[in-house]
Amino acid sequence: EPEVTQTPSHQVTQMGQEVILRCVPISNHLYFYWYRQILGQKVEFLVSFYNNEISEKSEIFDDQFSVERPDGSNFTLKIRSTKLEDSAMYFCASSGRDLGAYEQYFGPGTRLTVT
Amino acid sequence: AQTVTQSQPEMSVQEAETVTLSCTYDTSESDYYLFWYKQPPSRQMILVIRQEAYKQQNATENRFSVNFQKAAKSFSLKISDSQLGDAAMYFCALGGSQGNLIFGKGTKLSVKP
Repeated sequence: EPEVTQTPSHQVTQMGQEVILRCVPISNHLYFYWYRQILGQKVEFLVSFYNNEISEKSEIFDDQFSVERPDGSNFTLKIRSTKLEDSAMYFCASSGRDLGAYEQYFGPGTRLTVT
Repeated sequence: AQTVTQSQPEMSVQEAETVTLSCTYDTSESDYYLFWYKQPPSRQMILVIRQEAYKQQNATENRFSVNFQKAAKSFSLKISDSQLGDAAMYFCALGGSQGNLIFGKGTKLSVKP
């Protein structure tokens, strides 16, 4: 069964450093998303991506964040200068038009720890 | 604004019994989707069940079913014949107008043997 994959599973970085979180969505999906979940809190939407551009972003997704689909298979989230409060689980999700644009399949997540 | 509210932070059920998790939502959209996701300790988000708002029939997936009350904006999840593996956080989610999901705060379900 196709699945969304994410690497790395756990990333530890120092405050102020740049990190890139990687995702490989399900191959025939067209819509891509990033969410984050601070420990013990609910999952929050960051950004959606369709047709090689951002379609929507939340207020959390400020200038420190960027997304890219560099090669037609990977989907990346970059945090330019990490802050302590960026420590969270980051989930990538994808959905396909034939499933209904809203049915999203999540990857296993990347746990980001900023020290 | 679209919101999702789960009023039960924690629930407990005896193995083989039935439990219902509550969810209410608010949206001005006429066409939308509702979901229940399961998050075990591994923190993977697993889609449990999906409901299209335009369908009156309640969705069912094996032991999981929903009670969708559109007028009341209520979307509860019923788990029948509960199993130890059902223990997890359960998140109710609303499909937003741009396709993003809006999640509730979750309900932690414990299953007692």
